[in-house]
Amino acid sequence: SAVISQKPSRDICQRGTSLTIQCQVDSQVTMMFWYRQQPGQSLTLIATANQGSEATYESGFVIDKFPISRPNLTFSTLTVSNMSPEDSSIYLCSGLYEGSYEQYFGPGTRLTVT
Amino acid sequence: AQTVTQSQPEMSVQEAETVTLSCTYDTSESDYYLFWYKQPPSRQMILVIRQEAYKQQNATENRFSVNFQKAAKSFSLKISDSQLGDAAMYFCAYTGADKLIFGTGTRLQVFP
Repeated sequence: SAVISQKPSRDICQRGTSLTIQCQVDSQVTMMFWYRQQPGQSLTLIATANQGSEATYESGFVIDKFPISRPNLTFSTLTVSNMSPEDSSIYLCSGLYEGSYEQYFGPGTRLTVT
Repeated sequence: AQTVTQSQPEMSVQEAETVTLSCTYDTSESDYYLFWYKQPPSRQMILVIRQEAYKQQNATENRFSVNFQKAAKSFSLKISDSQLGDAAMYFCAYTGADKLIFGTGTRLQVFP
């Protein structure tokens, strides 16, 4: 298995502010992903983080709201911009490792927007 | 588009007994992979078991096994000798190559 860390583990933020979540993996990955899990719901893919280029967003998610960076193979950030209470969710990053079809997840960031 | 359906929002089992969680999926692809993930209250997503679609043999990992019926597009998880630590949300997931598509989850309660 892999070791994937995220920080912060949780945060409480005010409406209209932004939060950047960091994801670090322990070895090289071919792909990194960001998911959102709204309260009591399943995971929904936000975007695929591409190294050195713009992320690939899923339908319903836009770069202005969820800018993503991946400056190298093992690190990525997700920013939740101009937050509203509807953004209160768990945000998880995952990694797909070279030669594998299995995704491993970070511990998640619990975001509460007041 | 691919979809994953879990029709059991909640299940319960007594400790040491066996429980089966259901999952169906829809895809037009011939090559894909299926997974069961466990999410305890700590919210960490833990990979429980995986199945390659090209393999006829059902995957087994200790007390966890699957019943993979490719023609029926069914992928159920059997937990034998259930333990209190098995209590969690269980998500069935599908991937063709990279993106994971998740079902809505089944909450499993384990009673002593």
